[in-house]
Formats: sequence, structure tokens, C-alpha cells
Amino acid sequence: EVQLVESGGGLVKPGGSLRLSCATSGFSFSYYSFNWVRQAPGKGLEWVSSISYGNTYIFYADSVKGRFTISRDNAKNSLYLQINSLGAEDTGVYYCARGLSGNSHSDLGYWGQGTLVTDSS
Amino acid sequence: QSALTQPASVSGSPGQSITISCTGTSRDIGFYDYVSWYQQHPDKAPKLIIYEVSNRPSGVSNRFSGSKSGITASLTISGLQPEDEADYYCSSYTKSGTRVFGGGTKVTV
Repeated sequence: EVQLVESGGGLVKPGGSLRLSCATSGFSFSYYSFNWVRQAPGKGLEWVSSISYGNTYIFYADSVKGRFTISRDNAKNSLYLQINSLGAEDTGVYYCARGLSGNSHSDLGYWGQGTLVTDSS
Repeated sequence: QSALTQPASVSGSPGQSITISCTGTSRDIGFYDYVSWYQQHPDKAPKLIIYEVSNRPSGVSNRFSGSKSGITASLTISGLQPEDEADYYCSSYTKSGTRVFGGGTKVTV
């Protein structure tokens, strides 16, 4: 069974940093691309970042470029999101998501349960 | 990276059919067939219900169907049921290698 479990969320001071993790199991991690998607309280989904299976392609939404860094550790079957210079607009639930297939274009068929990041202001 | 455009809300009676539109641009919906739809119930993670415009993942009811014409994609829910009451989001892969979501549509049964 494919599983994605996020962790690392919490209350952070404005301008602070946080590292989110997504532990995965049930499939060959190294063959897939991954995405981070977030959702502010009461708002819609916002795509944040993606990383290809070979780290060849990394993309960010304009709203997080220069502040967020996506990475992966194939040996630990884990995905990460480093959040720096956190602002109120970054508050929300952060989901990691995997495509249906190994193709980096593949639609997001598997999602974690999310981890909540809150700006303490 | 502008969001795709969806109606804020759509409602219908049990048994009826409803359609949700999703309008993008020539750089996303109009360029790729990687258009997907997600269902989200309150306090739950999104669930993929349509991928690559019109395909249903295993286990998703055939009451859900998707289509695309030009820069507009559509999700149709037939035989509306109470459990279909949820938020629905469209999404597309883009020429820039990024993804974009619609603003979401609240479906009321």
C-alpha cells in the first residue's frame, strides 16, 4: 500500500524556519517525482514545489521562490521542504503528493494527510 | 502562475447531474492533457477522481466524468448523491513545468 506521512509542522515565529518531512512506503521511491501542495485555512489548494526522480528538475511557485527548498533522500525514502523567512501567507496545511506514474507530468494520485504550519503572529 | 478559473459553487438535487467548468490558458489546459480533478471533504486530504482529462482511478465511481475543449476542462457528476457534497479542484501541468490549481468549487447536494 502506498503511504505518505508528513511531519514537521508547527508554530513558527515570523521570519523563522521550518523543515517539513514526508516519509513514504509501499513503492520504489527513487522512481517517482514528488510535489508539495499547501492549503491556507478556508482557502483552496496551491501548488508549491516539485522535484523529479533524479533531482534533475526542481520547480517552485513564484510565491515561495528563494525562500523554500525542496529536496529528497532516496536512501531514506523521504521528501523534504525547507521553509525560510516564513510569513503569515505561508500558514496552512502542507501536503506531499506523488504522481500516478513515474512521469513527472503525472497527475497527483497519492497524497499524505498533511502537516499544519502556523505563523505565530 | 495564475490560478485556473472555476465557479465558486454549484448545487443540485439528488439524482441530478451537474457540471463544473475549469478555464485555463494555452500554457496549461490548452497545451497538455495532464488535467486532473480532486475531491476534498472537510478536514480531509484531496482525492484524485479524474486524471489525464477523462480517466478515472480504480475505485472512483463512474458517475464522475471529465472532458476538455480548448482551454476549458469540465467535470460532470451524474446521479448526484449526498456524499458528493464536497469541494472540487481542477489542476493542470504547465509549459513551465509547474502545476496550477483552480480556486475550487463547493458542490452542495
